[in-house]
Amino acid sequence: GAVVSQHPSRVICKSGTSVKIECRSLDFQATTMFWYRQFPKKSLMLMATSNEGSKATYEQGVEKDKFLINHASLTLSTLTVTSAHPEDSSFYICSAGGLAGSDTQYFGPGTRLTVL
Amino acid sequence: GQQLNQSPQSMFIQEGEDVSMNCTSSSIFNTWLWYKQDPGEGPVLLIALYKAGELTSNGRLTAQFGITRKDSFLNISASIPSDVGIYFCAGDSGTASKLTFGTGTRLQVTL
Repeated sequence: GAVVSQHPSRVICKSGTSVKIECRSLDFQATTMFWYRQFPKKSLMLMATSNEGSKATYEQGVEKDKFLINHASLTLSTLTVTSAHPEDSSFYICSAGGLAGSDTQYFGPGTRLTVL
Repeated sequence: GQQLNQSPQSMFIQEGEDVSMNCTSSSIFNTWLWYKQDPGEGPVLLIALYKAGELTSNGRLTAQFGITRKDSFLNISASIPSDVGIYFCAGDSGTASKLTFGTGTRLQVTL
């Protein structure tokens, strides 16, 4: 149980384009989903918290117009990187919480974004 | 954002050796979690700790939630090659269940 998937696993795009990353909880309903960013050999940095049906809460320094988050259902959250630039290249990881009886987060396998 | 101090930063050990790593914080956490991350993958939950002083095992892994609620350690006994990876501690202060991650411990196991 507690499986989280992400799609795509890797994406390469041109500068100026937008990229959408999907995060799904496959076998449980996730009341809350989180989006993290990880640079090489660094730790995970929380970007935003999203609750189903409401606006995402962004961490300080994260541009909400740049990183659009939608949490339309209890099993799906999407992160759209708008007008991507090379400095947006990173490993993006989502996690889902809300599994009954558990406060822990379960992570997706991550999406490697490369912006040319 | 805030990060937890994790040590050591990296370890090179021989197969069969025991490993110990710890995590400290200036803030109190209600929950401590330990994750392992393989290259190019998301973190996988190893152990969750919910009460100060709690000692929990998962196979060869043992972790403890510090009495002060500001630290935690993870021990791995009789290491094997597949233990290679980066280990992260994470603390949950209870605010919207947001996790604060440690700086990571990179473990290398040699035969």
